[in-house]
Amino acid sequence: KTQVEQSPQSLVVRQGENCVLQCNYSVTPDNHLRWFKQDTGKGLVSLTVLVHENDKTSNGRYSATLDKDAKHSTLHITATLLDDTATYICVVGDRGSALGRLHFGAGTQLIVIP
Amino acid sequence: EAAVTQSPRNKVTVTGGNVTLSCRQTNSHNYMYWYRQDTGHGLRLIHYSYGAGNLQIGDVPDGYKATRTTQEDFFLLLELASPSQTSLYFCASSDLGVYEQYFGPGTRLTVL
Repeated sequence: KTQVEQSPQSLVVRQGENCVLQCNYSVTPDNHLRWFKQDTGKGLVSLTVLVHENDKTSNGRYSATLDKDAKHSTLHITATLLDDTATYICVVGDRGSALGRLHFGAGTQLIVIP
Repeated sequence: EAAVTQSPRNKVTVTGGNVTLSCRQTNSHNYMYWYRQDTGHGLRLIHYSYGAGNLQIGDVPDGYKATRTTQEDFFLLLELASPSQTSLYFCASSDLGVYEQYFGPGTRLTVL
């Protein structure tokens, strides 16, 4: 059973627009949540990590929120660029240690058009 | 920045073939992982290791063996490849277990 659901599956925006990606999960316990960016055929690059209840992070044009009560996270991308075209993957860690597992969403494919 | 390299980057083999995927990390990390990524699915853990000589079974281990020969090197072995193993394979390493993993660039394997 999929424990990390991302929406939308895909999204097309025009350069300069803002967008919001959603992640809902059922992983328990939920130690931390990380957002990755994956360019086509490439590896995963960490964008941000959220740890605490109601955590908020900001990394340039990327900002993220986490609501552990609702088991929900959002990734906001402001003023999108063509280089933002990629798949964005939400990952929930059930522990912070080596004993834990990472639970991966299937990703949201973002396409930024001129 | 952690460095994880994988080879080959692309591999094509036939059903029943013998394939070895290689991963090297140069950051003295203790933990190394092998994942597969398939369209419509999140990454799934095949095998992982806590250190040289150690091997742990992941969530989708069937049809795969792995070996950690040194702290730097972790190999994934497909001794009788099947078309269902056509996938994008990622290696990752970590010094902190699951909290922060650094991913390699991936190996695309096609089994005909």
